[in-house]
Amino acid sequence: QSALTQPASVSGSPGQSITISCTGTSSDVGSYNLVSWYQQHPGKAPKLMIYEVSKRPSGVSNRFSGSKSGNTASLTISGLQAEDEADYYCCSYAGLWVFGGGTKLTVL
Amino acid sequence: QLQLQESGPGLVKPSETLSLTCTVSGGSISSSSYYWGWIRQPPGKGLEWIGSIYYSGSTYYNPSLKSRVTISVDTSKNQFSLKLSSVTAADTAVYYCARVHYYYDSSGYRSGWYFDLWGRGTLVTVSS
Repeated sequence: QSALTQPASVSGSPGQSITISCTGTSSDVGSYNLVSWYQQHPGKAPKLMIYEVSKRPSGVSNRFSGSKSGNTASLTISGLQAEDEADYYCCSYAGLWVFGGGTKLTVL
Repeated sequence: QLQLQESGPGLVKPSETLSLTCTVSGGSISSSSYYWGWIRQPPGKGLEWIGSIYYSGSTYYNPSLKSRVTISVDTSKNQFSLKLSSVTAADTAVYYCARVHYYYDSSGYRSGWYFDLWGRGTLVTVSS
């Protein structure tokens, strides 16, 4: 059960869009639509942003969206805002849970 | 509003057993729609799933930690607990408890399986 692969960092300017990728295998990301994404600000607990690849919990901005193609899931944030600067983690469930290594988003 | 709160020693000696408890308030741990889980995060590093438990006692463990982990539930106290044995400095981390949501889809399969509510986390340092 290996960790999912995410880029270590991404950046964007306010108002722009960014996409964070999350690559797994045909045994996890590729087999099930059970990918979730979490946002974590420094010193805080993670917060659920996306579940089941593309569903948004109540209260999460529609600027956050998710998708999947093959073994790679993606989180897209549109209309970047300063408050979006945080670490983002993907997670896949395939009988057991596995997280990605995390991506640090910097809003320039 | 349901809340989770981790508690336990912040300092554990090497080779000893780390013990943490998660208290669920504002709702019942015996709800049929949820599992309960432990996740940890070493300083400056990413999240690692440790294990999950249902109120009936059914458990799932991370294979990399399975030989050292025990997760249990006490429904009378609305709590679930983590024990990690033979700890080393590598087990130093912020430990989070979380609620896992699942449901039965239209085909009758269990779906969801995401962490929808988290505790604030507690730092456990392994040091002599």
